[in-house]
Amino acid sequence: DGGITQSPKYLFRKEGQNVTLSCEQNLNHDAMYWYRQDPGQGLRLIYYSQIVNDFQKGDIAEGYSVSREKKESFPLTVTSAQKNPTAFYLCASSINRGNFNTEAFFGQGTRLTVV
Amino acid sequence: RKEVEQDPGPFNVPEGATVAFNCTYSNSASQSFFWYRQDCRKEPKLLMSVYSSGNEDGRFTAQLNRASQYISLLIRDSKLSDSATYLCVVNNSSRDDKIIFGKGTRLHILP
Repeated sequence: DGGITQSPKYLFRKEGQNVTLSCEQNLNHDAMYWYRQDPGQGLRLIYYSQIVNDFQKGDIAEGYSVSREKKESFPLTVTSAQKNPTAFYLCASSINRGNFNTEAFFGQGTRLTVV
Repeated sequence: RKEVEQDPGPFNVPEGATVAFNCTYSNSASQSFFWYRQDCRKEPKLLMSVYSSGNEDGRFTAQLNRASQYISLLIRDSKLSDSATYLCVVNNSSRDDKIIFGKGTRLHILP
């Protein structure tokens, strides 16, 4: 079945450690996105990528890094520089049809807790 | 003006009632529009796309008003299972290829 997979579902990290969240899609989608959601809040865009080997900062990129070496994969690293990393992280993908993107499909999310 | 704005609610509505959500967007060149539903502690899921001519799917109707730059979602004969957060989504692909989410409107259907 085609889909977008995030792992792990729950992640605990000690303060000062970097951690990488995985996002893989087999939908052949061009565009991929990372969002952060805090309790009771909306989605905030961290990074996005329209094509392989290219990505752009979103609204809250500080303390995060990404790579897009393969079309299927868009891992997010939460670095120790991120002051408040505890949140629900959502990865999404969509098709780029030249002058617009189709609807986004989401993974099930990763809940990161800093202990 | 925020890129996408929604009334955060919550809307507390009795079962069987009709409820309407509005969403405004700031970029007049936005290309595509969607409504998503998000249940508590889950990922957002596409509810419906919004077309210029308006579209209907069962109890749900979505409309787009480009001149006034807003989209709407109407839910008729509301069910308890409609309780969720409804997210308005706008694609600003003509400028920077971002998909912009509103903060969402919380809906509680009361028995």
